[in-house]
Amino acid sequence: DTAVSQTPKYLVTQMGNDKSIKCEQNLGHDTMYWYKQDSKKFLKIMFSYNNKELIINETVPNRFSPKSPDKAHLNLHINSLELGDSAVYFCASSQVELAGVAETQYFGPGTRLLVL
Amino acid sequence: KQEVTQIPAALSVPEGENLVLNCSFTDSAIYNLQWFRQDPGKGLTSLLLIQSSQREQTSGRLNASLDKSSGRSTLYIAASQPGDSATYLCAVRRKGSTNAGKSTFGDGTTLTVKP
Repeated sequence: DTAVSQTPKYLVTQMGNDKSIKCEQNLGHDTMYWYKQDSKKFLKIMFSYNNKELIINETVPNRFSPKSPDKAHLNLHINSLELGDSAVYFCASSQVELAGVAETQYFGPGTRLLVL
Repeated sequence: KQEVTQIPAALSVPEGENLVLNCSFTDSAIYNLQWFRQDPGKGLTSLLLIQSSQREQTSGRLNASLDKSSGRSTLYIAASQPGDSATYLCAVRRKGSTNAGKSTFGDGTTLTVKP
């Protein structure tokens, strides 16, 4: 069974469009994340949600809006897509740390977005 | 601001060699450090996680060490195999008020193991 899944796997769209990427985790984790990996393969966090509350927003343009209907889902909606948004977007999840328990992030397979 | 650097950026070795990948970070106030593997066109797979109170973690042919005081971690791969070819990323999780603090990733080391 897939632990963290993302849809779609590939997304090719015209500049200016609005699109959404979906993420679901079946691990029972409390925290989910969105990362962006650019063409240079540098991975940078965009958002983090803990129990449906946004706890990190790393100066991402407000065209990007994460939405978490429940703690198993964290979707990413992007308005007015720009050429520079082309990248691979990864969703991840982790359990909120309990004392003495290691916390590992589990990543989805990624969504490859290409803006034309 | 935490900065994470991985050296070398790329590494090519013949099959069977032992090798070491390096990760350095500027802020020693970390919660944990995690090593990931990324295959071309794929997502990230967690390899090893070291908590700040630990000095090393081992899994099969992999051994990761952590020296917080010097801001360094190494990933040791024994008896490398062509299947080990991938990009290896280290990620440092900041110590803060929430356990779900952000991770800062290095740029990765791209490893090629030649048969």
